Amino acid sequence: DAGVIQSPRHEVTEMGQEVTLRCKPISGHDYLFWYRQTMMRGLELLIYFNNNVPIDDSGMPEDRFSAKMPNASFSTLKIQPSEPRDSAVYFCASSLYSPEAFFGQGTRLTVV
Amino acid sequence: SQQGEEDPQALSIQEGENATMNCSYKTSINNLQWYRQNSGRGLVHLILIRSNEREKHSGRLRVTLDTSKKSSSLLITASRAADTASYFCASREAAGNKLTFGGGTRVLVKP
Repeated sequence: DAGVIQSPRHEVTEMGQEVTLRCKPISGHDYLFWYRQTMMRGLELLIYFNNNVPIDDSGMPEDRFSAKMPNASFSTLKIQPSEPRDSAVYFCASSLYSPEAFFGQGTRLTVV
Repeated sequence: SQQGEEDPQALSIQEGENATMNCSYKTSINNLQWYRQNSGRGLVHLILIRSNEREKHSGRLRVTLDTSKKSSSLLITASRAADTASYFCASREAAGNKLTFGGGTRVLVKP
């Protein structure tokens, strides 16, 4: 397996634009997590899914953020409209029920 | 919000010395995990300790868990320059299986 795949690796966008981050989890994993990492706030859990169903989205900062998992092999995190304070590295991770999570390489988002 | 805190936030040691970092968490857990992150990269899993375990070893890593204090420690023995990275603890919560991370410890191992 190629591991967790995120795209794009880097994204630079203008304030107000819509941004969509993509994640392909490891095949067979039933948990998928979206995290945001910044120097100020560290690694924050935004939302996680179990069997494609959102379980806890309490970490989603505002209504501008939304996440979907239409099937077991694909998830998106969308920001609309984007703001400069959304600039961060966004990680996707997948796991089975209890063991360790496997992380993608992250998407570095810069909103100017 | 972060599940817990890590201590210290940064650590600088000489190659060959041991590095110890601590982590606290807030809720009941299934397990406690430690991850490593090199600059600009994703997190990589190092070791997992279950809630009914007190100590676990893997190579140069030693993890302890005290569920009564809701705390864990990671010891890296005989450190190497290549151990320079940030280390994060993560708790797998008993309710909902959420995986939340502490603030991390930045470790610098000087050759």
